[in-house]
Amino acid sequence: KAGVTQTPRYLIKTRGQQVTLSCSPISGHRSVSWYQQTPGQGLQFLFEYFSETQRNKGNFPGRFSGRQFSNSRSEMNVSTLELGDSALYLCASSLGADLRYEQYFGPGTRLTVT
Amino acid sequence: AQSVTQLDSQVPVFEEAPVELRCNYSSSVSVYLFWYVQYPNQGLQLLLKYLSGSTLVKGINGFEAEFNKSQTSFHLRKPSVHISDTAEYFCACGSARQLTFGSGTQLTVLP
Repeated sequence: KAGVTQTPRYLIKTRGQQVTLSCSPISGHRSVSWYQQTPGQGLQFLFEYFSETQRNKGNFPGRFSGRQFSNSRSEMNVSTLELGDSALYLCASSLGADLRYEQYFGPGTRLTVT
Repeated sequence: AQSVTQLDSQVPVFEEAPVELRCNYSSSVSVYLFWYVQYPNQGLQLLLKYLSGSTLVKGINGFEAEFNKSQTSFHLRKPSVHISDTAEYFCACGSARQLTFGSGTQLTVLP
């Protein structure tokens, strides 16, 4: 069974631009969560989607948004990029939204903002 | 609010020696506890989790962890490490739909 895939794997953007990252969950999984990983702040929860609805949101500014499609694929968007947005963005999928269901992580998208 | 503290940022250990990676958590409600491993340029992989029941949890690759409610700890142990265990290890807790992670411990296994 294919794992969680994230595209693109690497991305370089300029400050002020916007970016869209994509996450395809494991087949049958309906929950997708997004995390930001930086050397300074570590792993931080961005948001979680289940059945196309955002169910939970972390403490990030409104520039960070996301959505989930009917096939459970998810995208996250960051507008007006700042240097501090440079990070590894990880998505994770699970069968259900409860943490008792194992979360499977993708390899991440490494975003560099210059 | 929840928080996770991993007490050691780096742990060097010789091959075939035992290792313990320490994790303490803080939460006002009951939480689930997890250990993940991250190899370079890869995502996170679940090692083990505590949801309820027995406080000693066994995971993959010979790792185990013990939940101690009174000390709010969830330390990860392995009796004999291999070179291939070199990676970053993250402790996490959660009570609802999101995980709160510790800052990570880099385990380096030396030959």
